[in-house]
Amino acid sequence: DAGVIQSPRHEVTEMGQEVTLRCKPISGHNSLFWYRQTMMRGLELLIYFNNNVPIDDSGMPEDRFSAKMPNASFSTLKIQPSEPRDSAVYFCASQPAGRSNQPQHFGDGTRLSIL
Amino acid sequence: QKEVEQNSGPLSVPEGAIASLNCTYSDRVSQSFFWYRQYSGKSPELIMSIYSNGDKEDGRFTAQLNKASQYVSLLIRDSQPSDSATYLCAVNMENAGNMLTFGGGTRLMVKP
Repeated sequence: DAGVIQSPRHEVTEMGQEVTLRCKPISGHNSLFWYRQTMMRGLELLIYFNNNVPIDDSGMPEDRFSAKMPNASFSTLKIQPSEPRDSAVYFCASQPAGRSNQPQHFGDGTRLSIL
Repeated sequence: QKEVEQNSGPLSVPEGAIASLNCTYSDRVSQSFFWYRQYSGKSPELIMSIYSNGDKEDGRFTAQLNKASQYVSLLIRDSQPSDSATYLCAVNMENAGNMLTFGGGTRLMVKP
């Protein structure tokens, strides 16, 4: 079975540019999570969706960040405009909906560098 | 105080020894607990889950849960250099829906 698929794997762009990260969850998983990981702050939850609906976005750092899930098999995380402090690894994870005793499964992540 | 706490390490053990990784959490009614392993430059990978008090064994790994003490641990027997990684403790807190709260991770180094 395919796991969580993220693209791109690496992104290098200049400050001020728009960045779009993409995620395809595991088929049948209805909860999707976006995380950011840095050495300083560890793994931080940015936002999560149940059945394509955003449930908690309290971790989204600023209005420059937005996330969408137009259907059950696709989600995007957008940063506009990007800043050097946004440089991090961004992970997407999915989980069967309504079953908090099930673990989350992570994609390979997108390593983002803002110059 | 962080909700899920781990010693950042590094924890250094010789090959063949038992590595003991510890995690404490603040929410007394948490129900689900997970250990993830993360190699440098890679994504977190689930290695153990535990839901009730006591021990749960899977190969060389044993997870231990004590809800009264709000403590969960991971033991790795016969540690191998390939076990060298960061181990993340994750807890599903009460009223958190499907969200997991992660600890900062413990870096384990197994020396040949």
